[in-house]
Amino acid sequence: DAGITQSPRYKITETGRQVTLMCHQTWSHSYMFWYRQDLGHGLRLIYYSAAADITDKGEVPDGYVVSRSKTENFPLTLESATRSQTSVYFCASRDTSNQPQHFGDGTRLSIL
Amino acid sequence: KQEVTQIPAALSVPEGENLVLNCSFTDSAIYNLQWFRQDPGKGLTSLLLIQSSQREQTSGRLNASLDKSSGRSTLYIAASQPGDSATYLCAVRPSNTGKLIFGQGTTLQVKP
Repeated sequence: DAGITQSPRYKITETGRQVTLMCHQTWSHSYMFWYRQDLGHGLRLIYYSAAADITDKGEVPDGYVVSRSKTENFPLTLESATRSQTSVYFCASRDTSNQPQHFGDGTRLSIL
Repeated sequence: KQEVTQIPAALSVPEGENLVLNCSFTDSAIYNLQWFRQDPGKGLTSLLLIQSSQREQTSGRLNASLDKSSGRSTLYIAASQPGDSATYLCAVRPSNTGKLIFGQGTTLQVKP
């Protein structure tokens, strides 16, 4: 089906572990984004990408790594997870033209 | 720095009522403004996108207006239904960036 798919939907891991959240979109949108959503903070941008092999930091990039070797995929890696990274993570994409941004269903990540 | 504010944070209305959700932003140099809906445990669904050159957009019972000079947008929901219960977020895209800046959202409850 067309759209944005995030996996896994739920993840529990321990502090210090590496975890990768996957994001795949079928529209061939140029722009892709990673957000985290926390009570009291709303949606905060972690990283974004304007095209394959082009990434840039958002508001809260520390502790996260991204890559974009293919247009359709934009994985987010927590290299050494901390409890403060417990959150709901959303991936989004947008075309280069003046089009709406679309979101995936999110990954709920708990770090114990 | 662009800031987006949504007031009130929560709103409860009886079914059938017409209602207005408010969004204000501090910098009028925007490319567009987007309204989203978020149901509990779900991702964001795009409702309406207003370009900076437009005054309003309509989709079904929803009408969004934009007054760029005063830094305000409203989302009008006609004949509200219990199924409209959700959190509504507005986001602006500043002119000099591809990123969206989100408000904290208004949580709407429509009582049968």
